[in-house]
Amino acid sequence: EVQLVESGGGLVQPGGSLRLSCAASGFSFNSYWMSWVRQAPGKGLEWVANIKQEGSEKYYVDSVKGRFTISRDNAKNSLYLQMNSLRAEDTAVYYCARDFSGLVGAIDYWGQGTLVTVSS
Amino acid sequence: DIQMTQSPSSLSASVGDRVTITCRASQSISNYLNWYQQKPGKAPKLLIYAASSLLSGVPSRFSGSGSGTDFTLTISSLQPEDFATYYCQESYSSPITFGQGTRLEIK
Repeated sequence: EVQLVESGGGLVQPGGSLRLSCAASGFSFNSYWMSWVRQAPGKGLEWVANIKQEGSEKYYVDSVKGRFTISRDNAKNSLYLQMNSLRAEDTAVYYCARDFSGLVGAIDYWGQGTLVTVSS
Repeated sequence: DIQMTQSPSSLSASVGDRVTITCRASQSISNYLNWYQQKPGKAPKLLIYAASSLLSGVPSRFSGSGSGTDFTLTISSLQPEDFATYYCQESYSSPITFGQGTRLEIK
């Protein structure tokens, strides 16, 4: 069974940093692109970033470029999102997600999400 | 960036109704269009990928069509469990973008 379990969310002050982690199991992690998608309270879905299988390609939404870094450790079956210079508008549930095999960007498995709140 | 516009933003329908949701891209995205269903407090679920391919395990009452800039999601006969929010998403180029969502409510 595919499982994606996020951790690391919480309350952080504006300008602060947070590192999200995602533990993957039930599939060959190093064979898939992986993504982070967020959803602000009561709002729609926003794709944040994705990373190729070996980590050689990474893409970001413009609003997080230069502040967020996606990474992965295939030996640990783990995905990460380092978030720096956090802003109030980064407040959201952050989902770890697996890209559908053969169709990068389509997401066939999602974690349960972890809430990040940026507030003083 | 590619903009995705869904219509309507909300929709009221009854069990058994046929429902269509549309999604328009700001530029051609070929068939790189996916549809998701999200229920309150839950993660989204992929229903349709590549515009018209039904994900394994998704009921056949769901179907998708379109190419280029105009796409549709159709639910042929609404079931009680289908009342949710639906999102389209383009995966043609980065940054990947979602539509704003269509909330499907019980009439």
